[in-house]
Amino acid sequence: EVQLVESGGGLVQPGGSLRLSCAASGFTFSSYEMNWVRQAPGKGLEWVSYISSSGSTIYYADSVKGRFTISRDNAKNSLYLQMNSLRAEDTAVYYCARDAWEQWLVLEYWGQGTLVTVSS
Amino acid sequence: DIQMTQSPSSLSASVGDRVTITCQASQDISNYLNWYQQKPGKAPKLLIYDASNLETGVPSRFSGSGSGTDFTFTISSLQPEDIATYYCQQYDNLPPTFGQGTKLEIK
Repeated sequence: EVQLVESGGGLVQPGGSLRLSCAASGFTFSSYEMNWVRQAPGKGLEWVSYISSSGSTIYYADSVKGRFTISRDNAKNSLYLQMNSLRAEDTAVYYCARDAWEQWLVLEYWGQGTLVTVSS
Repeated sequence: DIQMTQSPSSLSASVGDRVTITCQASQDISNYLNWYQQKPGKAPKLLIYDASNLETGVPSRFSGSGSGTDFTFTISSLQPEDIATYYCQQYDNLPPTFGQGTKLEIK
């Protein structure tokens, strides 16, 4: 069974940093592309970032470019999102999501999400 | 960025009704369109990919159609467990973008 479990969310002050993790199991993590998607409270879905299976190709939404860094450790079956210079508008539930096999940006499996609150 | 416009934003229907949601892209996206279901407090779930392909394990009452800029998502016979918010998502161009969502309620 595919499982994605996010962690690392919490309350952080504006300008602060946070590192999210996503632990993957039930599939060959190193073979799949991964994404972060966020959802502000009561709002819709916003794609944040993508990383290829090897980590060699990375994309970001303009709203987070230069502040967030996606990475992965295939030996640890883990995906990460380093978030710096956080703003109030970054407050959201952050989901990690796995692409379907050979179908990039078809978000087949999602974790349960971790809440990030940016507030003083 | 490609804008995805869903309608309606909310919808109230009775059990057994046929429900239709539309999604319009601001430019041609071929068939690079997915539909997701999100129940309250839960993560989204992929229902339809490539505009019309049913994800494995998804009930056959769900279907999708369309290409280019205009897409339709249909529930042939609404069930109580279908209460959720539904999102379309294009992946023809980066960044992938979602519609604003359609909240479906039981009448």
